[in-house]
Amino acid sequence: NAGVMQNPRHLVRRRGQEARLRCSPMKGHSHVYWYRQLPEEGLKFMVYLQKENIIDESGMPKERFSAEFPKEGPSILRIQQVVRGDSAAYFCASSPINVGDRGQEGYTFGSGTRLTVV
Amino acid sequence: AQSVTQLDSQVPVFEEAPVELRCNYSSSVSVYLFWYVQYPNQGLQLLLKYLSGSTLVKGINGFEAEFNKSQTSFHLRKPSVHISDTAEYFCAVDTGRRALTFGSGTRLQVQP
Repeated sequence: NAGVMQNPRHLVRRRGQEARLRCSPMKGHSHVYWYRQLPEEGLKFMVYLQKENIIDESGMPKERFSAEFPKEGPSILRIQQVVRGDSAAYFCASSPINVGDRGQEGYTFGSGTRLTVV
Repeated sequence: AQSVTQLDSQVPVFEEAPVELRCNYSSSVSVYLFWYVQYPNQGLQLLLKYLSGSTLVKGINGFEAEFNKSQTSFHLRKPSVHISDTAEYFCAVDTGRRALTFGSGTRLQVQP
């Protein structure tokens, strides 16, 4: 079991470019979560998805950010027209569908994508 | 709404000394509680979790935590720390209704 796979590990973008971050959940997990960690800060929830459906996007900035989890393929976090303030580590986690299973297994995190905007 | 407060942003401690990292939570419903550790430039690793049953939970690397419902706390402890325990520690709560909510983290600095 490969765990949660995130790529790329490091991503450098110039201001105004687009950033695409990918997350493949653990096998058997149907829920995906994205978190952002700014330098010297904790993890802030961004969005919670299951396949083809956004469950909770209350942590997503209103502009430039979007997320999807298609029926096939990884979940994508997309940041358009990046600015310096978007520089952060972006972590993806996955969990089983049932709350009880989620508690038992917990959330499994990927190693993160470190985005640097220059 | 659920929230997590980690009272100490940094905890310096000497090697082989005991340590306690504090965590308090707020929730109107039953919760699952977690502690994660993050080593520099790495992802999060689950240390331990409380789901139900015994309030004393043992995790990896010699850590344990105690759930106190009346004080809404879930403090993390280790009787004797090592240099290798230097890392950021995050407390988190899950009510089953929203995604995992994290505290702001506590940086444990173990000094020789």
